[in-house]
Amino acid sequence: DQQVKQNSPSLSVQEGRISILNCDYTNSMFDYFLWYKKYPAEGPTFLISISSIKDKNEDGRFTVFLNKSAKHLSLHIVPSQPGDSAVYFCAASRNTDKLIFGTGTRLQVFP
Amino acid sequence: GAVVSQHPSRVICKSGTSVKIECRSLDFQATTMFWYRQFPKQSLMLMATSNEGSKATYEQGVEKDKFLINHASLTLSTLTVTSAHPEDSSFYICSASRPTGGHEQYFGPGTRLTVT
Repeated sequence: DQQVKQNSPSLSVQEGRISILNCDYTNSMFDYFLWYKKYPAEGPTFLISISSIKDKNEDGRFTVFLNKSAKHLSLHIVPSQPGDSAVYFCAASRNTDKLIFGTGTRLQVFP
Repeated sequence: GAVVSQHPSRVICKSGTSVKIECRSLDFQATTMFWYRQFPKQSLMLMATSNEGSKATYEQGVEKDKFLINHASLTLSTLTVTSAHPEDSSFYICSASRPTGGHEQYFGPGTRLTVT
């Protein structure tokens, strides 16, 4: 039972353009959502998060949007840079409980 | 952010032996640490939640007698893979959360275990 899904295993974007990574969840009790970035053979690095009481959170080039009615969140990266190339995981939690991770989306930013 | 370290970063062991992986929070005291494993091209799967001074809580399907977790101090948790088999070969990652609460977990760099 995959409660958090990232349906696009990969995404390729040109440098300078916007990257949009999507994530869907099934459990309406989740109250906090996070995005992590991961390079091969390294641990995930926290990027940005959003509480379920908000619909948008912005931090520099990264913006996360939450649509609770659709149980969908997205991460926007603009402008995309080659250094953004990595695997991005969304995660969800409930009441500061454990994190449930999605399957990840590999982003490749090309020049 | 916060710094979490893992040791070793890579280990190769023979089938039947035990391997210990250490996870340390370097700049904060972590009352809760988590252990994950990741298979190639798959998501991070939570194995267990480790609370300082108490027994770990294991996820369904994770053998507690095989994956021994000890959280003896606020900055150190260890995972011991006992009687390792080739199917235990994986990437093991720990994370820690701050005692002040919040949902963010800070991850270590991971340990690549290969059982021959």
